[in-house]
Amino acid sequence: KAGVTQTPRYLIKTRGQQVTLSCSPISGHRSVSWYQQTPGQGLQFLFEYFSETQRNKGNFPGRFSGRQFSNSRSEMNVSTLELGDSALYLCASSTGQGRNTEAFFGQGTRLTVV
Amino acid sequence: GNSVTQMEGPVTLSEEAFLTINCTYTATGYPSLFWYVQYPGEGLQLLLKATKADDKGSNKGFEATYRKETTSFHLEKGSVQVSDSAVYFCATLTGNQFYFGTGTSLTVIP
Repeated sequence: KAGVTQTPRYLIKTRGQQVTLSCSPISGHRSVSWYQQTPGQGLQFLFEYFSETQRNKGNFPGRFSGRQFSNSRSEMNVSTLELGDSALYLCASSTGQGRNTEAFFGQGTRLTVV
Repeated sequence: GNSVTQMEGPVTLSEEAFLTINCTYTATGYPSLFWYVQYPGEGLQLLLKATKADDKGSNKGFEATYRKETTSFHLEKGSVQVSDSAVYFCATLTGNQFYFGTGTSLTVIP
């Protein structure tokens, strides 16, 4: 069974640009969540999509957006990049239902804003 | 509300020492509890989980017991190895959302 795939693994962008990150979940999983990980702030929840609908949202500015497609693949977009957006962005997939579900993480996309 | 509080790191232990990483939580419902581990340059991997009170999750010598009365899920290992050096995250699943702690960095020295 293929795991969670995030592309690209590494990105370097310039301040003010926009970026799109992609996440392909495990087959059959309908929930995709996105997290930002930085040394200072730890793991922060961005948003979760379930069956193409945003179901939960963290406390991030509107520059951070996402979407989910009918095949459950998800993209995350960050517009008007700031230096502080440099981080490891992690995607996690799960069935999205039931107490016995668990989150499976991708290896992440390392974004550097210069 | 929902939140997870973990022991502050970093933690440094000698090989074969006993490990405890404390985790307490607040939850609006009846959560499932998890420990995840992150090795350098990788995403998080599930280490163990427990879905109801008094359940013990275990894997690779690590254990944690779901204590509803103290809202805790402390991670323990009797004898750590150098290969256990990583960052450990405690997490809850309440409703359909996961909540993660800030992570505890563990370094094991030979």
